Amino acid sequence: DTGVSQDPRHKITKRGQNVTFRCDPISEHNRLYWYRQTLGQGPEFLTYFQNEAQLEKSRLLSDRFSAERPKGSFSTLEIQRTEQGDSAMYLCASSQGTSGHNEQFFGPGTRLTVL
Amino acid sequence: AQSVTQLDSHVSVSEGTPVLLRCNYSSSYSPSLFWYVQHPNKGLQLLLKYTSAATLVKGINGFEAEFKKSETSFHLTKPSAHMSDAAEYFCVVTPGGGATNKLIFGTGTLLAVQP
Repeated sequence: DTGVSQDPRHKITKRGQNVTFRCDPISEHNRLYWYRQTLGQGPEFLTYFQNEAQLEKSRLLSDRFSAERPKGSFSTLEIQRTEQGDSAMYLCASSQGTSGHNEQFFGPGTRLTVL
Repeated sequence: AQSVTQLDSHVSVSEGTPVLLRCNYSSSYSPSLFWYVQHPNKGLQLLLKYTSAATLVKGINGFEAEFKKSETSFHLTKPSAHMSDAAEYFCVVTPGGGATNKLIFGTGTLLAVQP
């Protein structure tokens, strides 16, 4: 197992364009999380899935953002009509089980720059 | 509401001297607390976690943290800093009480280790 992977690692786009990021969790992990990290801040929770069900969404996740996890495996995060304020590192994490004690394993992130 | 406050944004120590990174938390329930480390261009890595067992928690790379409920603190320590410890450290809380295990991060402490 190679850990959580994210693609692409970097994305530069122009304001108003749509972007999509992919996260492949550790196999057999049933929970998958998306976080956003801006410069000088800690990551902030966006949303999470248990298997294919999206169970919670943060208020940070505006209607321009949508996340999916078809078949409970990989996940995609799409941002429509990007704005400069969307520039950030988007982190994906996965964990096994449903306990709050379970470690979340993070991917390397996708750095988004909106020009 | 749950939150963590990291009291120092930057800490600088000399190699071989002790490390102290301070964290205070706020939680309505019995929380789970974590310390994560983020090296440049690498994913977040779990250092250690507190889950209502022993109040002194030992982690990887010689780090440990003590949960003090009376002081609502969870400070991270290491007896002797190594150059490879230079990184950003995040104190993290996840709410208890059966809530989702989304992670709530502090703003981070950047640790510099001088030769």
